[in-house]
Amino acid sequence: DAGVIQSPRHEVTEMGQEVTLRCKPISGHNSLFWYRQTMMRGLELLIYFNNNVPIDDSGMPEDRFSAKMPNASFSTLKIQPSEPRDSAVYFCASSLRIQGAPNNSPLHFGNGTRLTVT
Amino acid sequence: AQSVAQPEDQVNVAEGNPLTVKCTYSVSGNPYLFWYVQYPNRGLQFLLKYITGDNLVKGSYGFEAEFNKSQTSFHLKKPSALVSDSALYFCAVRDIVEGGYNKLIFGAGTRLAVHP
Repeated sequence: DAGVIQSPRHEVTEMGQEVTLRCKPISGHNSLFWYRQTMMRGLELLIYFNNNVPIDDSGMPEDRFSAKMPNASFSTLKIQPSEPRDSAVYFCASSLRIQGAPNNSPLHFGNGTRLTVT
Repeated sequence: AQSVAQPEDQVNVAEGNPLTVKCTYSVSGNPYLFWYVQYPNRGLQFLLKYITGDNLVKGSYGFEAEFNKSQTSFHLKKPSALVSDSALYFCAVRDIVEGGYNKLIFGAGTRLAVHP
């Protein structure tokens, strides 16, 4: 298994531009999470999906941020317009949630997208 | 609300010595606790978890963690550190959310530096 795949690995853009980050979860996993990592705030959960449906987006910092999961094998996180304070490493993670059972499956993380907004 | 705390920003250990990375938790109900490791320019990797059962949990790369309910701690340990263990370590707790989703709350992380 190739693991969780994120693209691009690095993104440098100018303030005001639209940025789209992509994620391919592990095949068969039905939960997907987007995290942001910064020195100041550590790891923050932005949003998560189950069976392609957004469950909780309360961590999304502003309306400039949006996420979609059109199918089980693909998700995007979009920032429009981007700002310098959005600079961070964005991680996607996936796991398997079994309906009706205690969900203790570990999260599997991608290698992240390092976003720099100038 | 569920939370974990990692009181040390950095831990320095000589190679071959035992290491401990500390984590304390605050939860409602039974805690589901995890340790992850992050190497430079990589995502987090799962090391081990405590759900129930034995208080000593064994995980990947020779790591283990001891769950202590009275001290609300879940410290990560290894009997003999390797230089290659140098990385950022995160403790995490599963949040209580309707639907039982595996939403994890992470600590701030502890940087482990193992010196030759």
